[in-house]
Amino acid sequence: AQTVTQSQPEMSVQEAETVTLSCTYDTSENNYYLFWYKQPPSRQMILVIRQEAYKQQNATENRFSVNFQKAAKSFSLKISDSQLGDTAMYFCAFMKRGGGSNYKLTFGKGTLLTVNP
Amino acid sequence: GAVVSQHPSRVICKSGTSVKIECRSLDFQATTMFWYRQFPKKSLMLMATSNEGSKATYEQGVEKDKFLINHASLTLSTLTVTSAHPEDSSFYICSALSAGKTDTQYFGPGTRLTVL
Repeated sequence: AQTVTQSQPEMSVQEAETVTLSCTYDTSENNYYLFWYKQPPSRQMILVIRQEAYKQQNATENRFSVNFQKAAKSFSLKISDSQLGDTAMYFCAFMKRGGGSNYKLTFGKGTLLTVNP
Repeated sequence: GAVVSQHPSRVICKSGTSVKIECRSLDFQATTMFWYRQFPKKSLMLMATSNEGSKATYEQGVEKDKFLINHASLTLSTLTVTSAHPEDSSFYICSALSAGKTDTQYFGPGTRLTVL
């Protein structure tokens, strides 16, 4: 079974600054995906970024980037130029690659990020 | 792309009645959908995996007869909470799997269920 750990229950950052959210995971699988989802106060889960484990290159999406360290089983999210709209709960998630029940997501407990003006 | 709708967004019902929640993938086909429950300030808890044209797979501890799931088409899955009780009050979220190229779950906006 997979586990995902987010060790920071809450974080805060000033607007326009950079913040990094931590995520570690444990798995015996070699082929998998990692995700960051955000859940703002509206409670809509929004995909932030996706990383395929076989790719060494870190994924980026505009102001969001990841530091994927496969050997260390670490998958941190960096948010640059933080904006007020980035205030949300952020969930790190793991998905085993393949079909059937392998499409399940294993979530961390989340990190509540507050961006202060 | 990859939009998932969920209806209703809020529902209030009396104890003992049944409530149906719909989940639709609007711009892609989803052979697999998922139903989650989320308690305040907690992570998502997977209730069941819904597969088009076959029976749903429920997670351990989830009552199959209370939470009925039907996945009748490639774009629609429904969750029916039968004989609802106040302890079923919660936030229910569905997701649809975009399989193949992206293998990514996209989420609906959620349904707030309140059972009086």
